[in-house]
Amino acid sequence: NAGVTQTPKFRILKIGQSMTLQCAQDMNHNYMYWYRQDPGMGLKLIYYSVGAGITDKGEVPNGYNVSRSTTEDFPLRLELAAPSQTSVYFCASSHGQGASPLHFGNGTRLTVT
Amino acid sequence: GNSVTQMEGPVTLSEEAFLTINCTYTATGYPSLFWYVQYPGEGLQLLLKATKADDKGSNKGFEATYRKETTSFHLEKGSVQVSDSAVYFCALSLTSRSGGSNYKLTFGKGTLLTVNP
Repeated sequence: NAGVTQTPKFRILKIGQSMTLQCAQDMNHNYMYWYRQDPGMGLKLIYYSVGAGITDKGEVPNGYNVSRSTTEDFPLRLELAAPSQTSVYFCASSHGQGASPLHFGNGTRLTVT
Repeated sequence: GNSVTQMEGPVTLSEEAFLTINCTYTATGYPSLFWYVQYPGEGLQLLLKATKADDKGSNKGFEATYRKETTSFHLEKGSVQVSDSAVYFCALSLTSRSGGSNYKLTFGKGTLLTVNP
């Protein structure tokens, strides 16, 4: 039972480079989320999706893009990496209704230099 | 807007000490409240939850009671262990009057707990 799988675990980017953070879940959850975690700042929602083909912005969407072509996958794209995007990124999924919990991946630690 | 405020860390305790991590919230509507735990190098995982006033969530010896009158959801454990060392996050999500969920969590900043043997 894999749950939520994120790749890569670590990545170093140069300013202006682009990359895609991969996220896949095998729990048939409709709802998926991307958060970033900065030290002492908790988690901030970047984008979320309530189902295949539907995405929406969270609190801090600037500099990122997402797509949701399947229920299982929810990749996060950084087009022009900036030092402010240095962070730990977490993907999560849930049933979405009521008080259903979020299931998190183990995170991707991204450094932009 | 909705917000969660939890006590600043870090918190350092000796094994078998009593733990309290304070959490208060501001929300419109009818929030559900959660505590998530993050062990080193891992993602967050649900520790416990409560969905209405006076509910008590409990798991692994941890407890938290949903107090609407004080808008609080403080986390407690009677006797901590070294293995409890982690970052603890308080969070809320909103449920509308019709029962549908806001489904997005608002997190506090997290509290680092270190338990020494």
